[in-house]
Amino acid sequence: AQKITQTQPGMFVQEKEAVTLDCTYDTSDPSYGLFWYKQPSSGEMIFLIYQGSYDQQNATEGRYSLNFQKARKSANLVISASQLGDSAMYFCAMREYTGFQKLVFGTGTRLLVSP
Amino acid sequence: AAGVIQSPRHLIKEKRETATLKCYPIPRHDTVYWYQQGPGQDPQFLISFYEKMQSDKGSIPDRFSAQQFSDYHSELNMSSLELGDSALYFCASSLVGLAGGRQETQYFGPGTRLLVL
Repeated sequence: AQKITQTQPGMFVQEKEAVTLDCTYDTSDPSYGLFWYKQPSSGEMIFLIYQGSYDQQNATEGRYSLNFQKARKSANLVISASQLGDSAMYFCAMREYTGFQKLVFGTGTRLLVSP
Repeated sequence: AAGVIQSPRHLIKEKRETATLKCYPIPRHDTVYWYQQGPGQDPQFLISFYEKMQSDKGSIPDRFSAQQFSDYHSELNMSSLELGDSALYFCASSLVGLAGGRQETQYFGPGTRLLVL
C-alpha cells in the first residue's frame, strides 16, 4: 500500500509568490518522521525540512515551512517567496521508527517557477 | 560541512558486466543506506548498514550485494547487469545512535548514474 501520496504531479508558481506542495501519509506507527527533499535537474537529493510525529510546532527552515496536520495525516511543504532556483522535483518521504530505517518516498511534485 | 561522497559519478557498462559503486558517509555517521532511482521514478530503498552490520533490506536483486567496511565506507556490487539496472544510485548516511528525531536525517550523496548498454 502506498504510504506517501503526492497528488500534484506538477505545480506552477510565479517568482516571489508562495506555493504549497501537498503530501499525505499512512502509518500505524505512532512514532515517525516526515522529510522533504528537493531534486534539481542535476540529480542530487537535497534535504529541506524535517517534522517529527511528536513535534508540537510546525517545522520551519528559512523559506520552507511544513504545515503538519497529524489528525489528517498531512505534511504539506510551503515555500514562501519562490525563486527561479526553486524549480525542481520535490519529494515527501517518511521514516517509521519501529524496526526499520528506510525512507519511503512519494512520487514527487515537479515545481516550475516562472519569472 | 563534509557531505556524502560517491564514486564514480557516471558509469557505463555492457549487459552481463559487473559494477562496483562506492560511498563515503559523512564523518561520524553510523548508518549508510543505498537507494535506486529509475528514470522518472522516486528513490527505492535497497539496503542499509548500521555500524557495519546489515540493518535493513529492501527490494535488492540477488545479483546485488553490499557491505560496509571498518572505515565506514560502503560498496554496492552489481553483477550480471541488465538494461533495467540503468538508474541513479544514491548513497545516504545518517547518525542513528540513540538520538532519534531530526538527528536521524538521511543526507544523500550526489549519486552514481549507471547506464547499462
